Amino acid sequence: NAGVTQTPKFQVLKTGQSMTLQCAQDMNHNSMYWYRQDPGMGLRLIYYSASEGTTDKGEVPNGYNVSRLNKREFSLRLESAAPSQTSVYFCASSPQGAHYGYTFGSGTRLTVV
Amino acid sequence: GQQLNQSPQSMFIQEGEDVSMNCTSSSIFNTWLWYKQDPGEGPVLLIALYKAGELTSNGRLTAQFGITRKDSFLNISASIPSDVGIYFCAGQFGNQFYFGTGTSLTVIP
Repeated sequence: NAGVTQTPKFQVLKTGQSMTLQCAQDMNHNSMYWYRQDPGMGLRLIYYSASEGTTDKGEVPNGYNVSRLNKREFSLRLESAAPSQTSVYFCASSPQGAHYGYTFGSGTRLTVV
Repeated sequence: GQQLNQSPQSMFIQEGEDVSMNCTSSSIFNTWLWYKQDPGEGPVLLIALYKAGELTSNGRLTAQFGITRKDSFLNISASIPSDVGIYFCAGQFGNQFYFGTGTSLTVIP
C-alpha cells in the first residue's frame, strides 16, 4: 500500500523560480490537503480540496496555488519562490472531510536560496 | 488561525518511565487527534477523540478529550526507545485541523 506519495523528496530553488509539488493517493479518499511545517510552528494548512473539483484556502495560502487534477492527485505550485517558502511540505488525505484525521505523505523538503 | 499550546516542548526520559504531555486551546474543538512523527517522515495518527471526557487507549498510549473541550492529554506508559519522535496534537475547528507545535521525546536506554 503506497498511501500518499509525494514527489520530489528534496528540492533546491533559486528565488523567483517556479515549481510544482506533486501528491497522489491510492486510498480513494475524497479530501486532500497541503501543509507546511516550520521549526517551532507546527503544521499549517496551505490549501485543501474537500472533494474533486473544489479547492479552498487554508491558514497560509499566499504565494501558492493548487490544482485538484482528479480524485487521486493534488498539486501545489509556487509561481515565484521566496526564501520564506523554505519549509517541509506535507500532503495529506482523508476519506471525507477532516473528522477522521489524515494520512500524510513523507514530505518534500524545499530550500529557496 | 487557532492557537494550540502544547507542552512540554521537549522531554528526556529513561527507558521504562511514563510520559505525559498535553495540549490546550482558548477555543472549543470538536475532535482531538494525536500524531507521532519520526525523523524524515510524515505524521502518523495514534489516537482520535470525538467526545468530551472520552478516554481512549492504543497499546501503551492513552489519550483523553478534556471535559471543557479545550484540552487533551496523551500518556505513554513504560517508554521504549522506539517511542522517540515528535508528538503533535491537532484540534478540529470548523472543517480544518489546527496543529500544536509538538513535543519532542527522547528516550535514554
